[in-house]
Amino acid sequence: KQEVTQIPAALSVPEGENLVLNCSFTDSAIYNLQWFRQDPGKGLTSLLLIQSSQREQTSGRLNASLDKSSGRSTLYIAASQPGDSATYLCAVQPSGTYKYIFGTGTRLKVLA
Amino acid sequence: SAVISQKPSRDICQRGTSLTIQCQVDSQVTMMFWYRQQPGQSLTLIATANQGSEATYESGFVIDKFPISRPNLTFSTLTVSNMSPEDSSIYLCSVKQKGEQFFGPGTRLTVL
Repeated sequence: KQEVTQIPAALSVPEGENLVLNCSFTDSAIYNLQWFRQDPGKGLTSLLLIQSSQREQTSGRLNASLDKSSGRSTLYIAASQPGDSATYLCAVQPSGTYKYIFGTGTRLKVLA
Repeated sequence: SAVISQKPSRDICQRGTSLTIQCQVDSQVTMMFWYRQQPGQSLTLIATANQGSEATYESGFVIDKFPISRPNLTFSTLTVSNMSPEDSSIYLCSVKQKGEQFFGPGTRLTVL
């Protein structure tokens, strides 16, 4: 059974720092992995989608990498800003299914 | 990317009543997904709704409690029936487009 874990559960950093959020999954047989952002009490915003054949994707200050064999993905945020404060969720789509399995999330706070 | 709207955005309901949540997508999609996010938790898939067929429910969720309608390719409803305080959650509608998952803004439900 696929399980997705995110470390750390919470993170507080000063503005301007580069930071890394981690996502690990137990079964490497996945179609893709997607990173989301969730603001308090709101829905999810898609940040990056990495197909299983890809190793990384970039969008602006965000870079996500995928290492299927080790069951890991990282989300790198460059030059963090207070507006980046949110909960970041990763989700994997196991092979053979259309469903997503979500991680527990990392709650990020960037201090001005 | 798909644009998804949900109604209502939030509601406070009395125990024993029912609430129907609407989800509208700006394009035709085959599958629509309903998720629940309990306070402080990650997302859990309730069911998958296909147009013209019965919804497929995940383990722990039943049709009598969460009836779903899918009358066309752009619209779905989820009803939370005979509510109890344990049903207090954010309910999210989601679709997939070209492998990427998109979410509505969510419906925040509080049951007293």
